Amino acid sequence: RKEVEQDPGPFNVPEGATVAFNCTYSNSASQSFFWYRQDCRKEPKLLMSVYSSGNEDGRFTAQLNRASQYISLLIRDSKLSDSATYLCVVTQRSYIPTFGRGTSLIVHP
Amino acid sequence: EAQVTQNPRYLITVTGKKLTVTCSQNMNHEYMSWYRQDPGLGLRQIYYSMNVEVTDKGDVPEGYKVSRKEKRNFPLILESPSPNQTSLYFCASSGTPNTGELFFGEGSRLTVL
Repeated sequence: RKEVEQDPGPFNVPEGATVAFNCTYSNSASQSFFWYRQDCRKEPKLLMSVYSSGNEDGRFTAQLNRASQYISLLIRDSKLSDSATYLCVVTQRSYIPTFGRGTSLIVHP
Repeated sequence: EAQVTQNPRYLITVTGKKLTVTCSQNMNHEYMSWYRQDPGLGLRQIYYSMNVEVTDKGDVPEGYKVSRKEKRNFPLILESPSPNQTSLYFCASSGTPNTGELFFGEGSRLTVL
């Protein structure tokens, strides 16, 4: 089983839709969790950290479920500019961030 | 401006010809790392460094070397490149890798013929 797993998609949604991605991790000792965004052929950039209590940043909501070992990202009112690959990142005490393979989102008019 | 700078951004080379990809950061970060990204495989860590003169292997270190003589620089060395090292390479740095943000360079696209 891979350490960090994501559905590669693509998720193809119309503008204005709500879309959610999940990411599962295998190591119960994982400490920190993040969502990164990567545009085609560009470098990944931090979208948001994921806190145990859940957190929201505008149209984006991230949640952590330690019992089931997954994190989620919810995007409301999707925009064309949200089209990208979303990478799940999990870190442990070893300081080695582990990346999922990413979930591709395509928002169409 | 806080940034991670990689060079070259694009390179086409031939099998066996040694090359170095440079990486420099201006944020005084202790942690630096190299990744390669291939279609369907995602980002895989090659080497990382927790501080000057401290380097460790990541998931795919074979065929690569690194050095960390100064805090700001973390070059990636391919002593004898092979076609299976054709990939998109990213350098990243962080002040607190376990709890903080990773800052990536713009990437270096390497083709080995």
